[in-house]
Amino acid sequence: EAQVTQNPRYLITVTGKKLTVTCSQNMNHEYMSWYRQDPGLGLRQIYYSMNVEVTDKGDVPEGYKVSRKEKRNFPLILESPSPNQTSLYFCASRRTRLDTEAFFGQGTRLTVV
Amino acid sequence: ELKVEQNPLFLSMQEGKNYTIYCNYSTTSDRLYWYRQDPGKSLESLFVLLSNGAVKQEGRLMASLDTKARLSTLHITAAVHDLSATYFCAVEEETSGSRLTFGEGTQLTVNP
Repeated sequence: EAQVTQNPRYLITVTGKKLTVTCSQNMNHEYMSWYRQDPGLGLRQIYYSMNVEVTDKGDVPEGYKVSRKEKRNFPLILESPSPNQTSLYFCASRRTRLDTEAFFGQGTRLTVV
Repeated sequence: ELKVEQNPLFLSMQEGKNYTIYCNYSTTSDRLYWYRQDPGKSLESLFVLLSNGAVKQEGRLMASLDTKARLSTLHITAAVHDLSATYFCAVEEETSGSRLTFGEGTQLTVNP
């Protein structure tokens, strides 16, 4: 089954403790991206990757890092989380950046206290 | 900077009624998406509109795109309770790495 898998689904952590949210897709997609969703703001893109070793900033990259060492994985790294990063995070993938069909992961609800 | 605005943000309607959700955006784009999100769930793709005048229909939902007016509409016909969800439009900027810029979302509640 074609899917985008995020882990964990829920995470409560403390300010400053590094964490990684994993994202994996099994469709051999080139294009992957991370979004955060906050009430009243819709979804905002954090980072995207057009292919292995090619990543770039989205609208709200501050406080986040990503890596794309393999095609299937696109982890989101918070080196020093802060409470304003409490949010719902979604990973998404597309076959190529020109493709119109995007597949979204189930979401990761992160709380930073 | 691309801005995408939806209205209304909250919509409560009765079953059987019709209504339209509007999505305005600020720069030229030929790709517009509509997604549905149920509470606690991920996003489900509804429609992709790729050119001026495009119209897509699925069941009680119909989406259209007017690129000259920078406006897309999502029309709901004879609403049923199952349509209760949050609906997002998103506009793609090919010049910015194919970034999707989302509207704030319209929370639709269909009452019996």
